[in-house]
Amino acid sequence: QSALTQPASVSGSPGQSITISCTGTSSDVGGYNYVSWYQQHPGKAPKLMIYDVSNRPSGVSNRFSGSKSGNTASLTISGLQAEDEADYYCSSYTSSITRVFGTGTKVTVL
Amino acid sequence: QVQLVESGGGVVQPGRSLRLSCAASGFTFSTYGMHWVRQAPGKGLEWVAVISYDGSDKYYADSVKGRVTISRDNSKNTLYLQMNSLRAEDTAVYYCAKDWPGRPEIDYWGQGTLVTVSS
Repeated sequence: QSALTQPASVSGSPGQSITISCTGTSSDVGGYNYVSWYQQHPGKAPKLMIYDVSNRPSGVSNRFSGSKSGNTASLTISGLQAEDEADYYCSSYTSSITRVFGTGTKVTVL
Repeated sequence: QVQLVESGGGVVQPGRSLRLSCAASGFTFSTYGMHWVRQAPGKGLEWVAVISYDGSDKYYADSVKGRVTISRDNSKNTLYLQMNSLRAEDTAVYYCAKDWPGRPEIDYWGQGTLVTVSS
């Protein structure tokens, strides 16, 4: 099972919007609406930000939103803030009943 | 609140074995699927294994299949990962994580335990 493809880095200025892509195949991202996104600050455990492609858990800012088109899912962070600087990973359920993570994207707030 | 506390990590020689544990609290452990996910130093997340709520179904990443076994003891609210024939590339922080209710997606993670395979 190959990792989902994400850009290595994305940056933006405070207040701007950025989008992180996550590309898989029809056996994972394209085949199921079980795509989730995680935020990880250095030395910390990942935190769930989006589940079921576009749903936010309670307590997650509405500046975070998710979507999917075909085999590519996306995470958008609007109104970028300094605290959003972190690594972000997508994840998908797969046809093999396993899970797969993305390669990870480092978000930098300029 | 949900708590997942991993233990059992440490330094181990190549070819040896290690068993990790994850003590769960704050939710009904016996009703959720559970995962192990690892992260090599400076690298991304890698899914390792999942076990169903009752232990009847287990699935593994190809990279560890045949060398690791995931198991659980619902009477002790504890998840395990038995790792055999350890290799240098198994060096990583190992996270225990639980499924989102009714969905095959992870919602909560433990803080992780570091496994270092080195002679």
